[in-house]
Amino acid sequence: EAQVTQNPRYLITVTGKKLTVTCSQNMNHEYMSWYRQDPGLGLRQIYYSMNVEVTDKGDVPEGYKVSRKEKRNFPLILESPSPNQTSLYFCASSSETVPTYEQYFGPGTRLTVT
Amino acid sequence: AQSVAQPEDQVNVAEGNPLTVKCTYSVSGNPYLFWYVQYPNRGLQFLLKYITGDNLVKGSYGFEAEFNKSQTSFHLKKPSALVSDSALYFCAVRDVTNAGKSTFGDGTTLTVKP
Repeated sequence: EAQVTQNPRYLITVTGKKLTVTCSQNMNHEYMSWYRQDPGLGLRQIYYSMNVEVTDKGDVPEGYKVSRKEKRNFPLILESPSPNQTSLYFCASSSETVPTYEQYFGPGTRLTVT
Repeated sequence: AQSVAQPEDQVNVAEGNPLTVKCTYSVSGNPYLFWYVQYPNRGLQFLLKYITGDNLVKGSYGFEAEFNKSQTSFHLKKPSALVSDSALYFCAVRDVTNAGKSTFGDGTTLTVKP
């Protein structure tokens, strides 16, 4: 089954404790992206990657890191989480071959930082 | 900078009536436009897209949208609403010249009443 998986699905952590949220897709997609969803603010893009070893900042990159060492994986790293990073996080991927471009989303990771 | 506006936080319609969810966008180049739907406690699902060609695009579950370049709009429509259409709808844009950046609107909650 074609899918985007994220782990963990739920995470409660404390301020300053480094964490990684994994994202993996099995569709051989070139493009991957991370978003956070907050009430009333829609989805805001954190980082994206057009292909392996190519990453770039989205609209809200502060406090986050990413890497793209393999095509299928795109982990999100919070090196020193703070309470304002409490949010619902989505990973997505898409094929950049015309005429696709639509994004396939993972199930989400609900993060609480206390 | 690119942007998406969904002017209505909430749209209420009666079952069987037509529905419209509005979206306007701003990009410097040509747009790729998308609608996604999020059901309660679920991830986002792709509904339809405009990449090029016919301005009227049809998507999943009987939804359609019309690309209007002069008005920079991409409104989502359905001729006859179902209670099961009740969900949170997001409009999104990617700029052809900077396709990595993906911008979502704040979302519109559609409620269809029996």
